[in-house]
Amino acid sequence: DTEVTQTPKHLVMGMTNKKSLKCEQHMGHRAMYWYKQKAKKPPELMFVYSYEKLSINESVPSRFSPECPNSSLLNLHLHALQPEDSALYLCASSYSDRNYGYTFGSGTRLTVV
Amino acid sequence: GIQVEQSPPDLILQEGANSTLRCNFSDSVNNLQWFHQNPWGQLINLFYIPSGTKQNGRLSATTVATERYSLLYISSSQTTDSGVYFCAASLYGNNRLAFGKGNQVVVIP
Repeated sequence: DTEVTQTPKHLVMGMTNKKSLKCEQHMGHRAMYWYKQKAKKPPELMFVYSYEKLSINESVPSRFSPECPNSSLLNLHLHALQPEDSALYLCASSYSDRNYGYTFGSGTRLTVV
Repeated sequence: GIQVEQSPPDLILQEGANSTLRCNFSDSVNNLQWFHQNPWGQLINLFYIPSGTKQNGRLSATTVATERYSLLYISSSQTTDSGVYFCAASLYGNNRLAFGKGNQVVVIP
């Protein structure tokens, strides 16, 4: 298995809703990432988990809450989002410090209404 | 952090033409990748190439780490090559993969 699987592919949520994005990989990668991408912009790093511990938080607002239940799973919990949070959310994984390249999932396209 | 610059930002090609995309980076890297983002948003890994040369079909890439640049060559372009090409790099001992702004490529029949 050489894939990173993200669900759902599309999500529409209201500003008072709580939802979660899910990401799964079975490549034995020990680093997992959340990126946010706005239209016509490059992906921007949000969070990094290394060996199931949060190692980088790029000053992301607390309405985004990451969770890494085990080495294969990564969640992003969403609460009280704003319309400007609408974007493509990409998950990625890599071997941690050996860095043999990142594999990205197909993303969740989020719309906040 | 590391700075990644890509050129040209936009490129229009006639089908069958060849092209070269360039990526400059500001520091020594242990990871450099080229991605193609399709219209549905998926980032498809083209090359993991922190140094040297690799080829995959009509695509090839070269990274000259000592001079801090990488090149992506597209030969005999096809309409399916259209999309955004991203160069991304990270530093030794650093899990921050930084992206350039991308090359928007349009191949016309």
